[in-house]
Amino acid sequence: AQSVAQPEDQVNVAEGNPLTVKCTYSVSGNPYLFWYVQYPNRGLQFLLKYITGDNLVKGSYGFEAEFNKSQTSFHLKKPSALVSDSALYFCAVRDITGGYNKLIFGAGTRLAVHP
Amino acid sequence: DSGVTQTPKHLITATGQRVTLRCSPRSGDLSVYWYQQSLDQGLQFLIQYYNGEERAKGNILERFSAQQFPDLHSELNLSSLELGDSALYFCASGDSTGRLPGTSGSLGEQFFGPGTRLTVL
Repeated sequence: AQSVAQPEDQVNVAEGNPLTVKCTYSVSGNPYLFWYVQYPNRGLQFLLKYITGDNLVKGSYGFEAEFNKSQTSFHLKKPSALVSDSALYFCAVRDITGGYNKLIFGAGTRLAVHP
Repeated sequence: DSGVTQTPKHLITATGQRVTLRCSPRSGDLSVYWYQQSLDQGLQFLIQYYNGEERAKGNILERFSAQQFPDLHSELNLSSLELGDSALYFCASGDSTGRLPGTSGSLGEQFFGPGTRLTVL
């Protein structure tokens, strides 16, 4: 079965510093990987996806993610964190068991960016 | 704005009651997905519909049911409510089948509505 793991419940970063939110995956076949962000009292917003091609994927709000096949990882990164990036981040993998798309989400990582 | 709408935004009800949550997908999306987000369980996939038919089931209780109508909007019905059903319920819409990469609608990304916060007292 497809799965993703987010090993950190919370990540704390100072504003202006680079940030990394970790995600590892376990899939059979080629992985389709996604990152979503959830701001307080809001729905999930799509950030970026990896389907194929370049291992470095660029997304919304200055975020990028690096796909690493040998380490089965898809870490979310940003060169310089903003206080407004504080939110809950979810990694997800596509599962097409049964022939229909669904997403399997990680448990989420809370990012806190301090001024 | 994702283009997915959900009503109501908030719902407060008592144990034992029944409620209906409504979702309208993005224009053109045939799939609707329902998720439950609670503090201790994270984001749980409940059920998926594609063009009116149920396609995948996750951790959905027997007290819960859903349907997708011909105009593609979907409703999630929660009955015999318990305190533990208090949660945020999200609807998402997205592409269609898990077709092969490179074909239309095969990418799998989903677009989420703002959610319905259900409080069971």
